[in-house]
Amino acid sequence: EPEVTQTPSHQVTQMGQEVILRCVPISNHLYFYWYRQILGQKVEFLVSFYNNEISEKSEIFDDQFSVERPDGSNFTLKIRSTKLEDSAMYFCASSPDRERAPLHFGNGTRLTVT
Amino acid sequence: AQTVTQSQPEMSVQEAETVTLSCTYDTSESDYYLFWYKQPPSRQMILVIRQEAYKQQNATENRFSVNFQKAAKSFSLKISDSQLGDAAMYFCAYRDSNTGTASKLTFGTGTRLQVTL
Repeated sequence: EPEVTQTPSHQVTQMGQEVILRCVPISNHLYFYWYRQILGQKVEFLVSFYNNEISEKSEIFDDQFSVERPDGSNFTLKIRSTKLEDSAMYFCASSPDRERAPLHFGNGTRLTVT
Repeated sequence: AQTVTQSQPEMSVQEAETVTLSCTYDTSESDYYLFWYKQPPSRQMILVIRQEAYKQQNATENRFSVNFQKAAKSFSLKISDSQLGDAAMYFCAYRDSNTGTASKLTFGTGTRLQVTL
């Protein structure tokens, strides 16, 4: 069964550094999402992406965050200048349609900011 | 904005027994989709079951079934014949219909399920 893959599984970075989290969605999916989960807390929506543009973003997704689909297969989340509070599990998800089908999640990237 | 509430932070069930996890949601929409996701210690998010709001029949997937009460905005998950592998965090999630854009999932805060021998 096709899967959403995320790399790396764990990223450690220093405060103020830029990080790029990578995702390869399922190939025939059209809608892409990033979520984050701070340890022990709920899964929070960051951004949705369709047709090469952002469809919706949350209050968390400020100017420090950006997303890109550079080559038709990868979907990346960039954090320009990381803060300690950015430490979390980041999940990429994809879906073949905009509402009916469930989201398929990757295994997540654990980001640790020191 | 839609909200999803899971009022049980933790639940415990004995192996082979049945447990029900509660979920309520708030929406002004009439058409939407509801999901239960399971997150084991590996942190992966795994779809357990889904329900379309326009369908009156409750969804069932093997040992997992839901009790969908649209008027009460309630969507509980029943796990029958519980197994040790069912131990995980369970998240209830809501997805809008007819948004015209990529519709996001809104998650509840989760219920941690322990399965004991």
